[in-house]
Amino acid sequence: AQKITQTQPGMFVQEKEAVTLDCTYDTSDQSYGLFWYKQPSSGEMIFLIYQGSYDEQNATEGRYSLNFQKARKSANLVISASQLGDSAMYFCAMREGRDDKIIFGKGTRLHILP
Amino acid sequence: DAGITQSPRYKITETGRQVTLMCHQTWSHSYMFWYRQDLGHGLRLIYYSAAADITDKGEVPDGYVVSRSKTENFPLTLESATRSQTSVYFCASLESGGPYNEQFFGPGTRLTVL
Repeated sequence: AQKITQTQPGMFVQEKEAVTLDCTYDTSDQSYGLFWYKQPSSGEMIFLIYQGSYDEQNATEGRYSLNFQKARKSANLVISASQLGDSAMYFCAMREGRDDKIIFGKGTRLHILP
Repeated sequence: DAGITQSPRYKITETGRQVTLMCHQTWSHSYMFWYRQDLGHGLRLIYYSAAADITDKGEVPDGYVVSRSKTENFPLTLESATRSQTSVYFCASLESGGPYNEQFFGPGTRLTVL
């Protein structure tokens, strides 16, 4: 069974609009962490944001925020005021407390339209 | 240079040959990971290591061997390369504990098996 599910293979969004990228996860651990990474066409992996399972507040980093809904096992990435440079592949990942492996979803390709 | 490096960056080999991909990090991070990235599959975990001399299987370990005799190095060996192992390979490191929850990635190695 997939541990990390990203249901949107691709998305097209108009510049300056807000974007929500979906991520659901599956774990029975109480302690876990959720990550989002950006991969532009150049190929490097860029860390965006992290949310711990015990964090009471949703994580925010500049224009990025993580909409963490623990009961729904959902960790959606929200990008406010999208820019052309946000066009990239976005990956959601999870680290489980039981074994510390970090598993990635299949990704969502985001296209920002001018 | 500080950071995480991978070598070679590009490699072409033939079916049946042994290939070793190198990964070196300068931070003395405890954790290191190997992923492969294929279209439609996102990043899949091959092996990971919590410390020197401690390694564990990930999602797709078959056909690969790892070792970690020193904290800073985590080589990945394909003992007898197959065409299905054509992929982009990423190495990553992570410090454990504290507020640090960013997985740092190397630039990737593009491997082609003919």
